[in-house]
Amino acid sequence: DVKVTQSSRYLVKRTGEKVFLECVQDMDHENMFWYRQDPGLGLRLIYFSYDVKMKEKGDIPEGYSVSREKKERFSLILESASTNQTSMYLCASTLAGNYGYTFGSGTRLTVV
Amino acid sequence: GENVEQHPSTLSVQEGDSAVIKCTYSDSASNYFPWYKQELGKRPQLIIDIRSNVGEKKDQRIAVTLNKTAKHFSLHITETQPEDSAVYFCAASIREKLTFGTGTRLTIIP
Repeated sequence: DVKVTQSSRYLVKRTGEKVFLECVQDMDHENMFWYRQDPGLGLRLIYFSYDVKMKEKGDIPEGYSVSREKKERFSLILESASTNQTSMYLCASTLAGNYGYTFGSGTRLTVV
Repeated sequence: GENVEQHPSTLSVQEGDSAVIKCTYSDSASNYFPWYKQELGKRPQLIIDIRSNVGEKKDQRIAVTLNKTAKHFSLHITETQPEDSAVYFCAASIREKLTFGTGTRLTIIP
């Protein structure tokens, strides 16, 4: 069974902390994505990557950065966590040319 | 960028009846339109998708229709069952980047 694994299911961090959310896929997918999900707002794209060491801004990149040093791993970084970054974070991946995403199980981040 | 609007935000139907969820998109370059189902506490799962060169696609009790001229697409669920209760998201894609609608919470009333 193909998998997208997010390292933490629940995370509580303090305002101002640097936070790392990790995502690993075992499907040799080229494309990886980070979304945040908030009630009434759906899923909003933060950053995405079409290949190793490549990254592109999504619709809401402010306050976030990403790293993709290896094909299977895509990390989301909150440089200085703020309370408005409390959310569910979903990682997804897909093959190049195949638009069907496989999602991870999500990380619910609370910033206090 | 692409903008996807989804309606209604909540929908309740009697078990056995049909449910329809509608979405519109703004960018005529979008060429792929998937629908995801998200059950409580779980990850979104792809349930059906359609590409821009197709007008309709059906998979058992679910179907999707696409009107490229009007830039809207719809999800149809027939003979609804309790397990259809979930949040449904539509999306539109340029290349592999998906823009999602805000979701529809579907409740099936036994």
